[in-house]
This record gives sequence, C-alpha cells and structure tokens, in this order.
Amino acid sequence: AQSVAQPEDQVNVAEGNPLTVKCTYSVSGNPYLFWYVQYPNRGLQFLLKYITGDNLVKGSYGFEAEFNKSQTSFHLKKPSALVSDSALYFCAVSSLSGNTGKLIFGQGTTLQVKP
Amino acid sequence: GAVVSQHPSWVICKSGTSVKIECRSLDFQATTMFWYRQFPKQSLMLMATSNEGSKATYEQGVEKDKFLINHASLTLSTLTVTSAHPEDSSFYICSARDFARNTGELFFGEGSRLTVL
Repeated sequence: AQSVAQPEDQVNVAEGNPLTVKCTYSVSGNPYLFWYVQYPNRGLQFLLKYITGDNLVKGSYGFEAEFNKSQTSFHLKKPSALVSDSALYFCAVSSLSGNTGKLIFGQGTTLQVKP
Repeated sequence: GAVVSQHPSWVICKSGTSVKIECRSLDFQATTMFWYRQFPKQSLMLMATSNEGSKATYEQGVEKDKFLINHASLTLSTLTVTSAHPEDSSFYICSARDFARNTGELFFGEGSRLTVL
C-alpha cells in the first residue's frame, strides 16, 4: 500500500533563512512524488514533482526538492524563506504501476515564517 | 496550467437536506476526477474516484449512498451529500488530471466548505 509521512506538524523558520519540510514515502514500484501548498480556505496549488530524471527538482516560487531513493525521501527546500511562504504543505505520492492519477497525501506540515 | 473550478465555494444548509457540489475542468477534458475531504488542520482524505460515463469508485469506509457522485460529461463531476448532518460539515475538494498533456500532476478546485446546521 502507498503511504506518505510528514514527520513534522509545524516548521518554524526566520525570514531569509533556509527551510526544509520533510517527507518520506512508501510505494510499490517507481513513485511519482509531488509537493502542494494550501493557503487557508483554498484548494491546493502544485509546487513541483518528481517522476524520473534528475534527483533535484526545481519548482514554483523558488522551491526545490531532492528525491532520495535509498532513504525513500523527498524533502522540500528553499534557500531563503519569505513570510509569504507561510502555509500548509502537503507531500503526495502515486505509483507508476497501474497509475490512475490517484494521489495519497501526507498529513501536512504547517510552515511558519517569521519576519 | 489546467484550471479546475468548484462551485459553490461555501454552503450552509439545514440538517436533513441534500447539497450538490460541482467540479468542472475548464480548459481540458477529465475522464477521471477525484473527490477529497479535508477536516480542519488535517490532510486530504480521498473519498472516491469519479469516472466519466461509469460508476464512481469509492474508498473504503466512504458511504456510497451518502455521497453520490455523477460524472456525466468529460468536464463535469458532481458530489451530492444526501441527507446532510452536522458531522458531514467539512471542506470538500475535487481534482483532475489532464491526461492529454500527461504532465503528471493533479489540478485542484478551490474547495467547497459545507456547514450543516
């Protein structure tokens, strides 16, 4: 069965500092991995994805994530955080085998960036 | 990118009434759409996969007769919460993949907040 774990409920970081939001996954077969961001009372916005190719993926708003197969991780990073990055972040996984597009989400991590 | 529109964005209803939420793909055809439910400060729980022209596939524990899903066209899926009760109050989000573009990601609607009094 597919699963995603985001071990931190909340991450606090000062503006201008680098940030990391952690994600580990479990899936049979090769994974599709995604990061989404959600602002209050809004839907989800796509940030980036890993399907194949370079392990370091660059996405929207300066975010990037590194796929690590041996550690089954896909941590989200940004070199310099902005206050406007404060939001709820979700990691998600889908399996390539028999893929219908169904995504399984982690529990979410609230990112709080303080001025 | 592909746009998914959800309506209404919020609705308040009395207990025992039924509420319909629409999900539309505006600039692409979606043979498959997904309905999620989100409780406050919690993750998205997949409720069902909506298939155009056929029955929806429900996740374990989701009541089919409670949450009716219809996917009558390639751009529209509807979720009807029948005989709603306060415990059905939640944030419902739909999503769709643009298989024609084959970019992999799901595109999400803005969500519908249901409050049952």
